[in-house]
Amino acid sequence: AQTVTQSQPEMSVQEAETVTLSCTYDTSESNYYLFWYKQPPSRQMILVIRQEAYKQQNATENRFSVNFQKAAKSFSLKISDSQLGDTAMYFCAFRYNAGNNRKLIWGLGTSLAVNP
Amino acid sequence: KAGVTQTPRYLIKTRGQQVTLSCSPISGHRSVSWYQQTPGQGLQFLFEYFSETQRNKGNFPGRFSGRQFSNSRSEMNVSTLELGDSALYLCASSLAADRLYEQYFGPGTRLTVT
Repeated sequence: AQTVTQSQPEMSVQEAETVTLSCTYDTSESNYYLFWYKQPPSRQMILVIRQEAYKQQNATENRFSVNFQKAAKSFSLKISDSQLGDTAMYFCAFRYNAGNNRKLIWGLGTSLAVNP
Repeated sequence: KAGVTQTPRYLIKTRGQQVTLSCSPISGHRSVSWYQQTPGQGLQFLFEYFSETQRNKGNFPGRFSGRQFSNSRSEMNVSTLELGDSALYLCASSLAADRLYEQYFGPGTRLTVT
């Protein structure tokens, strides 16, 4: 079965600093997507960044970037220049890219607090 | 363009009752997925609908059911509520079933079962 593990239940970072959230996953497939979602206290889940497994280049979205290590099945999220608005739960998720089993499989999340 | 809307936002029910939650996807989106979020289990996939057909289903008992209408709006129903059904229920929509990488989430319905 596919699993997603986020080993850091809680993290904190000072405003303007950089923080890295960890995620590992388990699959025998080679064609899949990986995602980081953000859920602020208001509860609206927002897609932060996604990575296609077939792409070797790490995805980047402004201050957010990933370190995708396919062989190690690792998908960490780096937040640069942290802002107070980055305070949220961050979820790592996985989805196959083919067939009917396209449901998202989620990690349990990392609660990130950005301190002023 | 309006986002995904879910109604009601908050709901309190008694054990044994049934409940219906509603989700209106973004205009033009035809795929709707439902998730249950609890502190202990995280997010668990319930089901996915596309063009009024259930395309995928998670590992939940038959008390959990859903449907999708011709306008892509979706409802989920939970019958014979149990205390463990207390959760945040999230709905997400995407343009098509094969484009789940572009899912947009609603604010959720907080269900409390007493």
